[in-house]
Amino acid sequence: DGGITQSPKYLFRKEGQNVTLSCEQNLNHDAMYWYRQDPGQGLRLIYYSQIVNDFQKGDIAEGYSVSREKKESFPLTVTSAQKNPTAFYLCASSLPVTTYNEQFFGPGTRLTVL
Amino acid sequence: KNQVEQSPQSLIILEGKNCTLQCNYTVSPFSNLRWYKQDTGRGPVSLTIMTFSENTKSNGRYTATLDADTKQSSLHITASQLSDSASYICVVRSNAGKSTFGDGTTLTVKP
Repeated sequence: DGGITQSPKYLFRKEGQNVTLSCEQNLNHDAMYWYRQDPGQGLRLIYYSQIVNDFQKGDIAEGYSVSREKKESFPLTVTSAQKNPTAFYLCASSLPVTTYNEQFFGPGTRLTVL
Repeated sequence: KNQVEQSPQSLIILEGKNCTLQCNYTVSPFSNLRWYKQDTGRGPVSLTIMTFSENTKSNGRYTATLDADTKQSSLHITASQLSDSASYICVVRSNAGKSTFGDGTTLTVKP
């Protein structure tokens, strides 16, 4: 059963704590992405990776970190430096970043800072 | 600055009625435009992709149009169903490979 999974679905964090969101795909996609979605707003790109062991900052990378040690996995760490981390986080993957490739999205993780 | 503007922000219609969602963009150079459907609390799913040379494309009850000259696209939903209640997101990709997302239109279909 191919697809992209994210865990956990809901996550609660105390202020000042780091937290890591998981993203796994078995679609054999080279490219992976992390987006943040706030109510009434469009998706904003946090980080993306086109190949293993390489990743680039998106539009709102401050306060976040990623790693890409395996093709299948692209975890996102929300650090205490992120001032307003409460949001819905979406992971996506695609074939190599070319013009028409569709991004396939995971089910999302809703992070709430208490 | 590349931008994607969607209208209306929200829309309520009765089951069985048709509706049209709008997307205007300034992304340049243009490569393609996708419409995604996002159910509440879920990830977006692609409905259709429009390239520069395409004017209209259908996917079941969904029909997308593109006017590359005026930089406008629309998504028409025919004979709406309760399951059409969702957010519809327009995403425009440039030739450089960067995707710009609209804020989405929230559609509510009522019985």
